[in-house]
Amino acid sequence: DIQMTQSPSAMSASVGDRVTITCRASQGISNYLAWFQQKPGKVPKRLIYASSSLQSGVPSRFSGSGSGTEFTLTISSLQPEDFATYYCLQHNSYPLTFGGGTKVEIK
Amino acid sequence: QVQLVESGGGVVQPGGSLRLSCAASGFTFSSYGMHWVRQAPGKGLEWVAFIRYDGSNKYYADSVKGRFTISRDNSKNTLYLQMNSLRAEDTAVYYCAKIGIAVAGTRGFDDYWGQGTLVTVSS
Repeated sequence: DIQMTQSPSAMSASVGDRVTITCRASQGISNYLAWFQQKPGKVPKRLIYASSSLQSGVPSRFSGSGSGTEFTLTISSLQPEDFATYYCLQHNSYPLTFGGGTKVEIK
Repeated sequence: QVQLVESGGGVVQPGGSLRLSCAASGFTFSSYGMHWVRQAPGKGLEWVAFIRYDGSNKYYADSVKGRFTISRDNSKNTLYLQMNSLRAEDTAVYYCAKIGIAVAGTRGFDDYWGQGTLVTVSS
């Protein structure tokens, strides 16, 4: 099975900051990587699929990149509503696997 | 509008069984694969299982393989998760989800998630 490792597990940032979260796969997954955002008490919301494709309705400050085993989610200018936990998900093969999550907190 | 409503959660002793249901409405249920995803209290997301639109293929996380069974009744627009030999580490909120990306797919359709049902495994 493919293991997904996210870093950092938590971070503090200020409104307006550029934020980068990394996800590494234990083996190559081409570009089949999605990113989800989850706020407390809410269901996950998918931001990105296929590494860099923005889901409809997601603000353009979110972007994704990478292929093979290393991927990044970038928030170009952090907004108050972006404080949340972010998860990567490989959709290359079953079983699907999530990363451990990155909690983005207010500095 | 699309609705997914889970039911069947509760408290069960270790080694026990439970069947979760997910009632779907607002879309052609029989045309889409469906997932179960869980989240232990204060922890991250864990993908559990997937079933193809017609029930012909099923996939499981290693952590539940051999103990959990995903199934569906397209005539009732309902998804199920039969959970046997439950362990304390199965304690979680269980979500059913229509995730709009395919394995090795490059198209992204809307996701829909239920609000989840809590399963607690404790003596």
